[in-house]
Amino acid sequence: DQQVKQNSPSLSVQEGRISILNCDYTNSMFDYFLWYKKYPAEGPTFLISISSIKDKNEDGRFTVFLNKSAKHLSLHIVPSQPGDSAVYFCAASVRGYQKVTFGTGTKLQVIP
Amino acid sequence: NAGVTQTPKFQVLKTGQSMTLQCAQDMNHEYMSWYRQDPGMGLRLIHYSVGAGITDQGEVPNGYNVSRSTTEDFPLRLLSAAPSQTSVYFCASSYSGVGAYEQYFGPGTRLTVT
Repeated sequence: DQQVKQNSPSLSVQEGRISILNCDYTNSMFDYFLWYKKYPAEGPTFLISISSIKDKNEDGRFTVFLNKSAKHLSLHIVPSQPGDSAVYFCAASVRGYQKVTFGTGTKLQVIP
Repeated sequence: NAGVTQTPKFQVLKTGQSMTLQCAQDMNHEYMSWYRQDPGMGLRLIHYSVGAGITDQGEVPNGYNVSRSTTEDFPLRLLSAAPSQTSVYFCASSYSGVGAYEQYFGPGTRLTVT
């Protein structure tokens, strides 16, 4: 049972435009959400997170939005740059428990 | 500060062989974990540890053993390798505690079982 779902395996965006990556979850106990970025032949690196007490968190070009009622979060990248081309993983956890559940990933390609 | 290191980077095993994937971190993190990444499956948790001497199972623990005798090291043992264990394995670590869930990942070990 996939508790964290990323339904788009891939996404292509023109440089300078907005990239929107989506993530849905089914476990209502999740209250902490993270996005990781992964380049080929490297380990994932942490990008941005959000707690369930917030609905938005920004860090430079990256913004994560959380809609608890819809059990949906999204990552916005504005403006998109070719160096953003990578696989993006959504992840979720229950505060107080260290186990993190990852989605299947979305491969973003930013076209120059 | 090396972060999270994993050895080896690549390994080919025959079915039935055993081996240990090494993972070490120098950030004094309490929490360490092992994931496997397979196409279309994302990152799946194999085993994790919240401190020396404490380990627990993740989503896909069968065929793997772990131990945590020190804070720094968290080796993953494949008892009798099977082709289904062909995958890329990532070790990760983080601090424990409220708001400190960001994990640091190693570069991965690519394992092929023939």
